[in-house]
Amino acid sequence: DTGVSQNPRHKITKRGQNVTFRCDPISEHNRLYWYRQTLGQGPEFLTYFQNEAQLEKSRLLSDRFSAERPKGSFSTLEIQRTEQGDSAMYLCASSEAASGDNEQFFGPGTRLTVL
Amino acid sequence: AQKVTQAQTEISVVEKEDVTLDCVYETRDTTYYLFWYKQPPSGELVFLIRRNSFDEQNEISGRYSWNFQKSTSSFNFTITASQVVDSAVYFCALSGINDYKLSFGAGTTVTVRA
Repeated sequence: DTGVSQNPRHKITKRGQNVTFRCDPISEHNRLYWYRQTLGQGPEFLTYFQNEAQLEKSRLLSDRFSAERPKGSFSTLEIQRTEQGDSAMYLCASSEAASGDNEQFFGPGTRLTVL
Repeated sequence: AQKVTQAQTEISVVEKEDVTLDCVYETRDTTYYLFWYKQPPSGELVFLIRRNSFDEQNEISGRYSWNFQKSTSSFNFTITASQVVDSAVYFCALSGINDYKLSFGAGTTVTVRA
């Protein structure tokens, strides 16, 4: 297993455009998380899935953000009508519920720049 | 609500010096997990250590050690005999036992000079 992967690694878009990011978790992990990290700050939780069910969403996740995990494997995060304030690193992590230790493994992130 | 505070913004040391990173947390949970992650210049967060709130035994793993004190809500992390490759941003994080989201501190940038 190669770990958590994310695509694309970088995305530059114009304000008002829609963007979609993909995350492939570690294959045996049934929990998947999205975080956002801005420069000089720690990651902030956005949402998480257990299998295909989205169990929690942060208040940071405005109506313009939507996440899916249709088959309990990969996940997508879509941002509609992007704003300059959406510029950040979007991180995906996964963990195995059965381990009981909430040890989350992170992907390399997708860096979004909104012009 | 959970909160993690890393008061040190930056630490600079010469190689082979020890580095201790401070972390103070707030939580209403009676049981929880504490973590340290490393984010090197490449950007990918790397898990380092985890501690359960019900186990206050301090441990050493290679050049890493940690000091967990529930009475003062602190979870400090030490790198012994630092190396240039230890240069990174270090994050302390907290989650509840049944609340899986991680709450991170703002991070401490460690620079190890040769």
